Amino acid sequence: QVQLVESGGGVVQPGRSLRLSCAAPGFTFRSYVTHWVRQAPGKGLEWVAIISYDGSNKYYADSVKGRFTVSRDNSKNTLFLQMNSLRAEDTAVYYCAKGIVVVPGAMGTSGLDYWGQGTLVTVST
Amino acid sequence: QSALTQPASVFGSPGQSITISCTGTSSDVGSYNLVSWYQHHPGKAPKLMIYEVNKRPSGVSHRFSGSKSGNTASLTISGLQAEDEADYYCYSYAGSAYVFGIGTQVTVL
Repeated sequence: QVQLVESGGGVVQPGRSLRLSCAAPGFTFRSYVTHWVRQAPGKGLEWVAIISYDGSNKYYADSVKGRFTVSRDNSKNTLFLQMNSLRAEDTAVYYCAKGIVVVPGAMGTSGLDYWGQGTLVTVST
Repeated sequence: QSALTQPASVFGSPGQSITISCTGTSSDVGSYNLVSWYQHHPGKAPKLMIYEVNKRPSGVSHRFSGSKSGNTASLTISGLQAEDEADYYCYSYAGSAYVFGIGTQVTVL
């Protein structure tokens, strides 16, 4: 059974760092592109980042480029999001999600079929 | 990376059909058939309702359907039910990025 479990959220001061994890037991994690998506309080969903199945290719939203880094450890079926220089506007629930493969090895996914339950990151003094 | 345009809210009575539009540009919706739709209840994980413009995942009701014309994608909910009340988001590949719609709140009267 496909399962995604995020962890690592919490309260952090502006300018500090936090690393989120997304454990993915129960499926062939290394075969799939995975996304990070967030939702700020009272706002809509926002795409954050995507990483290819082998970690060799990554894209980022302009709002986090240069501050956030996505990575994965396929030997441990785990996805990471390293968040540096955090700002108040990064406060959100962060979700990891599995992409539906269209072309093996490509970054284009036709949908996100499994999601974690989300982890809350609060950036505040 | 501008958000895709959706109506803020759509209302419908039980049994009616409603359609939610999702307007992008030739750089995202217009260029790729990688458009998906999500149902989101507050406090829960989003649920995939439509992928690749018009494909329905296993377990999703046949009352949900998707289409696309030019730079605009659409989600239609037929035979509206109380349980369909939620926020709905479209999502599109945009080259070296992805973009969500601003979201539509569906209210069943």
